Amino acid sequence: GESVGLHLPTLSVQEGDNSIINCAYSNSASDYFIWYKQESGKGPQFIIDIRSNMDKRQGQRVTVLLNKTVKHLSLQIAATQPGDSAVYFCAERVGGGNKLTFGTGTQLKVEL
Amino acid sequence: DAGVTQSPTHLIKTRGQHVTLRCSPISGHKSVSWYQQVLGQGPQFIFQYYEKEERGRGNFPDRFSARQFPNYSSELNVNALLLGDSALYLCASSTGLARDQPQHFGDGTRLSIL
Repeated sequence: GESVGLHLPTLSVQEGDNSIINCAYSNSASDYFIWYKQESGKGPQFIIDIRSNMDKRQGQRVTVLLNKTVKHLSLQIAATQPGDSAVYFCAERVGGGNKLTFGTGTQLKVEL
Repeated sequence: DAGVTQSPTHLIKTRGQHVTLRCSPISGHKSVSWYQQVLGQGPQFIFQYYEKEERGRGNFPDRFSARQFPNYSSELNVNALLLGDSALYLCASSTGLARDQPQHFGDGTRLSIL
């Protein structure tokens, strides 16, 4: 299928290494953040979320860190696997409702 | 359980035509949102519907409209198509309007305008 990640920042990692994907968000009033993974030809897939009253949240092989002081979000993937290759988006929400504002996206390439 | 389903998967239209895209949310989900994703960019919010009412609208022209049905499925309509409307149109569903409920996306409809 078509590549989602044309002209996106790219992170290349070796299989088995840890990956860190960073995201700067724009609105200090954002209260909820989500990381999505998007493979070519597919829709965004939910990975992990975090509320603004938290600094860190862990899932299976993934950790999200939130630094509200500098409006920065990161996604850490442990023991990166070839199946992790995709475009990763952070998304923020301000106030109520379901409107999400997405970041630019980062293309993760896992090298064998 | 089935995820969010969208139809059709691909569509080719010409300028000036109109199009209707369809979305079925995850069973039990009452909120549906629509996003437009241009190649190489993140999704852009178009609409949100909850309990058949519009609850949010993004910065899109009036050519874009949507509705939600009693079974919570939804349609996105775009009139007077322009070349710039070529994109992947994504539907996302969530259980409701609670503040920390993630949205789950379908695989989208790829719309090409000739």
